[in-house]
Amino acid sequence: GAVVSQHPSWVICKSGTSVKIECRSLDFQATTMFWYRQFPKQSLMLMATSNEGSKATYEQGVEKDKFLINHASLTLSTLTVTSAHPEDSSFYICSSLTSGTLQETQYFGPGTRLLVL
Amino acid sequence: AQSVTQPDIHITVSEGASLELRCNYSYGATPYLFWYVQSPGQGLQLLLKYFSGDTLVQGIKGFEAEFKRSQSSFNLRKPSVHWSDAAEYFCAVGNAGNNRKLIWGLGTSLAVNP
Repeated sequence: GAVVSQHPSWVICKSGTSVKIECRSLDFQATTMFWYRQFPKQSLMLMATSNEGSKATYEQGVEKDKFLINHASLTLSTLTVTSAHPEDSSFYICSSLTSGTLQETQYFGPGTRLLVL
Repeated sequence: AQSVTQPDIHITVSEGASLELRCNYSYGATPYLFWYVQSPGQGLQLLLKYFSGDTLVQGIKGFEAEFKRSQSSFNLRKPSVHWSDAAEYFCAVGNAGNNRKLIWGLGTSLAVNP
C-alpha cells in the first residue's frame, strides 16, 4: 500500500504555544488529505479536508483559526495547533487520498500524539 | 442518515480460532467499503476494500470480507487468528461523490488468547 508519514510522532508542549504537525505522502501525489483526531478508545473524528492549493474544508465544530491547515504541495499537508491548551491533547492522524483513479482510497499516517501541559 | 454499525465493541478469541467481525451500514448511494486495523498507538492500516465486482474480497494478513447488499453488511473474516491480530478494527463506508469523506464505525477491539 501507499506510504504516508507524519512528523513528529509525539510532542509535548506548554499551554499557549503552537505546534505544527506534518503529513507527507511519500510515494504518491495527493490532492486531498484528511486530518483526524482520535480520543482514547474511540473512533476517528474528521477535523478537516485539506485540498492542495486551496483552503481546507472544516467539519462543523472545528475551529479553523485554531487548527490551521496548509496543503502547499501534492505531497505535504501541515496542521498547526495554535495556542494549544490541555484540552487539545489528543492523537492526530492524517490520511492521503489516492487520486487519478476511480478506486480512491485513504492511506493513513502513523499518527502524532500531542500532550499540552 | 448515513451510518456504520459495528455491533461488537469487544471480541476475544483463542489463537487459531476463526474470526468474524460484523459491519452494517446505512448509506444512500452505492457504497465503497473499507476495513482498517489499528494497533495500539499507531495509525490505521488498510486491510481490504470493496468498490464493485466480486463480493468476496481478499485482503492482507489472511483477511477477507464479503459484501452483502441485501443485508447492508460487510463482515470481516479470518479462518485462523494469530496473536498478532490483536488490535482495533474499523469499518468505513464512502463514495466518490460524498467529498470522499468516510463514515466510520466505532470499532471492534479484538483480543487473542494464547
